[in-house]
Amino acid sequence: KNEVEQSPQNLTAQEGEFITINCSYSVGISALHWLQQHPGGGIVSLFMLSSGKKKHGRLIATINIQEKHSSLHITASHPRDSAVYICAVSRGAQKLVFGQGTRLTINP
Amino acid sequence: EAQVTQNPRYLITVTGKKLTVTCSQNMNHEYMSWYRQDPGLGLRQIYYSMNVEVTDKGDVPEGYKVSRKEKRNFPLILESPSPNQTSLYFCASSLESGRTQYFGPGTRLLVL
Repeated sequence: KNEVEQSPQNLTAQEGEFITINCSYSVGISALHWLQQHPGGGIVSLFMLSSGKKKHGRLIATINIQEKHSSLHITASHPRDSAVYICAVSRGAQKLVFGQGTRLTINP
Repeated sequence: EAQVTQNPRYLITVTGKKLTVTCSQNMNHEYMSWYRQDPGLGLRQIYYSMNVEVTDKGDVPEGYKVSRKEKRNFPLILESPSPNQTSLYFCASSLESGRTQYFGPGTRLLVL
């Protein structure tokens, strides 16, 4: 079993829909990261969380430390949100473990 | 502009021919890492460095070497590349341990 599990693996939605991507982990962590990888391959860090909730524009990330679970939400989704979203957890100094990623496609 | 650069971006080589992929950051970050990304396996950490002359193995270090002689540079060395090292490689840096990572654009390597 992977230390970091994401669901769903693939998600297709219509423009404007509310999107939720889930991440569960089985190990102790110091922080959780949400990353976005565009079709061209580049990776951008969206959020780093150690507790609670963070919001940036239409993106919201939450984490529940007790349940070892995090969610990434996208409100009013747009085709430009189409990307692979990757959850990663920090374990100790600079050691990152990644989920498999969720491929999101938003149709106009 | 704050950035992480990698070179080359694309490389085709043959088994056994030593190669180096360079990584440089201009943000004065303490921490740097190398990852490889493979279909079905996702991103995996190869090596990381907490500071100059301080490096440690990640999850898949076999077949790779790194060095950190200067704070800004963290080259990845493949002494004798093999086809199973065909992959997409990313370098990343962060201000300190566990903080937001800044990724380079990636290097796509094909070993024949």
